[in-house]
Amino acid sequence: SYVLTQPPSVSVAPGQTATITCGGNNIGSKSVHWYQQNPGQAPVLVVYDDGDRPSGIPERLSGSKSGNTATLTISRVEAGDEGDYYCQVWDSGTDHVVFGGGTKLTVL
Amino acid sequence: QVQLVESGGGLVKPGGSLRLSCAASGFTFSDYYMTWIRQAPGKGLEWVSYISSSSSYTNYADSVKGRFTISRDNAKKSLYLQMSSLRAEDTAVYYCARWLTGYYSFDYWGQGTLVTVSS
Repeated sequence: SYVLTQPPSVSVAPGQTATITCGGNNIGSKSVHWYQQNPGQAPVLVVYDDGDRPSGIPERLSGSKSGNTATLTISRVEAGDEGDYYCQVWDSGTDHVVFGGGTKLTVL
Repeated sequence: QVQLVESGGGLVKPGGSLRLSCAASGFTFSDYYMTWIRQAPGKGLEWVSYISSSSSYTNYADSVKGRFTISRDNAKKSLYLQMSSLRAEDTAVYYCARWLTGYYSFDYWGQGTLVTVSS
């Protein structure tokens, strides 16, 4: 089955840039989506189709892909950006949805 | 606005059954694929199942195939998950979510309902 690999944790100081990666075999051929989840709350879609943002999501959050890695970049990090971030793709081979293991973002 | 409200969670013994419901409002329910996603305590997200807008197509994660059944009632704007032969590892918060048309992602989620499988 298809596997997405994320670092368990990322730490960044306020005002700096956070980079969260998501690795997967041939991920360049797949559409990657990102979710933010705050403690005790449901996930929120923050980036879809590699780099598009739903309405209401600030431009500070952006998505990109290069080679076998997708990246969620959060610029000018704020305390409210703390939480867990998950990448997700659809595996056409199995017609299954796949999530990465999640990355906990800590704002120092 | 779009709202998804899950219900039906609770404590069930191993081997038991439970039916989850998700009531939708604020959008044309019959136009959208829907999905169930779960999250075990302290763990990450795990996709469970999805169903097409007309119920003509469903699919399941390997971990639940043969034990769980997804269904929907478009007239009632409701999504369901019938769970049987429950195991301890099925303990999780179960979220229903709306499929973002054309993008295989999920743009609206419910608040979740907790299922605990324990003797």
